[in-house]
Amino acid sequence: GAVVSQHPSWVICKSGTSVKIECRSLDFQATTMFWYRQFPKQSLMLMATSNEGSKATYEQGVEKDKFLINHASLTLSTLTVTSAHPEDSSFYICSARGNDRGPGQPQHFGDGTRLSIL
Amino acid sequence: DAKTTQPPSMDCAEGRAANLPCNHSTISGNEYVYWYRQIHSQGPQYIIHGLKNNETNEMASLIITEDRKSSTLILPHATLRDTAVYYCIVGNYGQNFVFGPGTRLSVLP
Repeated sequence: GAVVSQHPSWVICKSGTSVKIECRSLDFQATTMFWYRQFPKQSLMLMATSNEGSKATYEQGVEKDKFLINHASLTLSTLTVTSAHPEDSSFYICSARGNDRGPGQPQHFGDGTRLSIL
Repeated sequence: DAKTTQPPSMDCAEGRAANLPCNHSTISGNEYVYWYRQIHSQGPQYIIHGLKNNETNEMASLIITEDRKSSTLILPHATLRDTAVYYCIVGNYGQNFVFGPGTRLSVLP
């Protein structure tokens, strides 16, 4: 159980393109999902917390108009990188936390999306 | 900043136990200890978590000291496929996870 699916796994596109990444919890409901970014040889950095039915909470320094997050259902959150540029190239990872599995329930992560902007 | 401190790297012989330490001296009473690992170009994989008691599952054992200021993840019989970066994180339901640099475990044949 606790499977998180992320799609696509790899995207290569031209500068100026907008790219949408999907994150789905396959076998559980998740009121809260998280979006991380990881640059080469670095650790994961939280970008934003996505809450079903409400606006996302962005970490300091993350542009909310650049990284649009939509969490329209209890099993799906999307991250759209708008007008992507080469500096947005990174490994984007989502995670989800189940609603009803106790106070210490862990986050479960997708396999990530490698975004390369040419 | 991460609330945990881990050694940057460790080696372990294949078939032997891998013991990965983590210090979390500022852990609060309601914070759990979580362990994840990340194999290159994949998302982090959940391993185990605990609050006060030692925990064991099919992947690993988690030993938490009585004062909860440190813990050890034990992989009882390490294989080459266990080579990864291991992250120790403390937090609870209402908190975001903060990832430190983790420990790069190399399992050697």
